[in-house]
Amino acid sequence: QVQLQESGPGLVKSSETLSVTCTVSGGDIRTYSWSWIRQSPGKGLEWIGYINNRGDTNYNPSLKSRVTMSIDTSKSQFSLKMRSVTAADTAMYYCVRVPLDIVLMPAGIWFDSWGQGKLVTVSS
Amino acid sequence: SSEVTQPPSVSVSPGQTARITCSGDALSNQYAYWYQQKPGQAPVLVMSKETERPSGIPERFSGSRSGTTVTLTISGVQAEDEAEYYCQSADSSDTYPVFGGGTKLTVL
Repeated sequence: QVQLQESGPGLVKSSETLSVTCTVSGGDIRTYSWSWIRQSPGKGLEWIGYINNRGDTNYNPSLKSRVTMSIDTSKSQFSLKMRSVTAADTAMYYCVRVPLDIVLMPAGIWFDSWGQGKLVTVSS
Repeated sequence: SSEVTQPPSVSVSPGQTARITCSGDALSNQYAYWYQQKPGQAPVLVMSKETERPSGIPERFSGSRSGTTVTLTISGVQAEDEAEYYCQSADSSDTYPVFGGGTKLTVL
């Protein structure tokens, strides 16, 4: 049973960079693809981006200019960095598994395992 | 606003059948997926590709499609089914995944 655990600072200052790391255990990170999804307090779910085991990425167009995802298979970790954050980026950030090895178009992906989430608050 | 539309709330009594619908342009050529989220917890996939129930999900959960509307049906609703349910498909340009706004299922 795969387990995902988010880690990183819970408080980030406005205009700085948000960083969250996901550690994957109980499964081979190289077998699947991975995504980040966020949920603002009391709101719905927003897909942030996708990364596969080769490091290929695809991002939500609305966030693409500020987001970078990376993967370190030797550590079974993948990470999210979001630059120039504002209060609107305050959210629970979930790392999730995409049960596919190769993804041609992110439109068709889905998410079968979720971390517990990391609450990140952006302060002014 | 989401490009995948769900009713904001559905209420049923225990033992009855709950039906939660989801519609969107991308559903014409993309599957829909359903997630259950209870307060303070991460979402859980309860229906894959509209009709496939993941391991561990009770048989009372089922899915169907009619045109560009998909439905999550919970038969014999139990108190433990009270949760927010999110439909997921793709944006109207069929480019990236999007979620519906969620449907709050209340068990009366």
